[in-house]
Amino acid sequence: RKEVEQDPGPFNVPEGATVAFNCTYSNSASQSFFWYRQDCRKEPKLLMSVYSSGNEDGRFTAQLNRASQYISLLIRDSKLSDSATYLCVVNHRGSTLGRLYFGRGTQLTVWP
Amino acid sequence: DAGVIQSPRHEVTEMGQEVTLRCKPISGHNSLFWYRQTMMRGLELLIYFNNNVPIDDSGMPEDRFSAKMPNASFSTLKIQPSEPRDSAVYFCASRGQGKDNEQFFGPGTRLTVL
Repeated sequence: RKEVEQDPGPFNVPEGATVAFNCTYSNSASQSFFWYRQDCRKEPKLLMSVYSSGNEDGRFTAQLNRASQYISLLIRDSKLSDSATYLCVVNHRGSTLGRLYFGRGTQLTVWP
Repeated sequence: DAGVIQSPRHEVTEMGQEVTLRCKPISGHNSLFWYRQTMMRGLELLIYFNNNVPIDDSGMPEDRFSAKMPNASFSTLKIQPSEPRDSAVYFCASRGQGKDNEQFFGPGTRLTVL
């Protein structure tokens, strides 16, 4: 079983739509959670960390359900510039030596 | 601020040739990661270093792959001999010390082995 599983999409939504991505992780010892964004032919970049209580950054809301080992990302009022692949990422240990486990990514296209 | 620097950005080579990819991490970062990304397999961790010491190389596909980090500001990933199935984008990332610190990725090296 893969460490992190995501629906690959693609999700095609119009500007202004609300879209949600989900992912599940297999290791209950996972301690840190992130969403990374990767534009076409570019490197992944951190979008936001995911905290136990849920957190919001502008139009983006991330939530974590430890009991179900489930992470979500909600994007409100989608913009054309949100078109990218969104990678769900977990870290088994919070120490400096902890490696990151990446999902395959969910592709989003926002159309005018 | 210079980010993670990788070279070359693109490499086209013939099967059997040696390929060396280079990475300069962000100054002050003490962890360095080498990843490979393909459409089929997504982003895979090959090896990572902490304070220049290899910590986990279980992702290195086979003996044809080797990585070194002779000092805090430089790392190489070598493939010898290269094969067509090695064609991928290879990313280097670095991270500073501290819990949950962000990994910063370089722009990647797009490798094509003919």
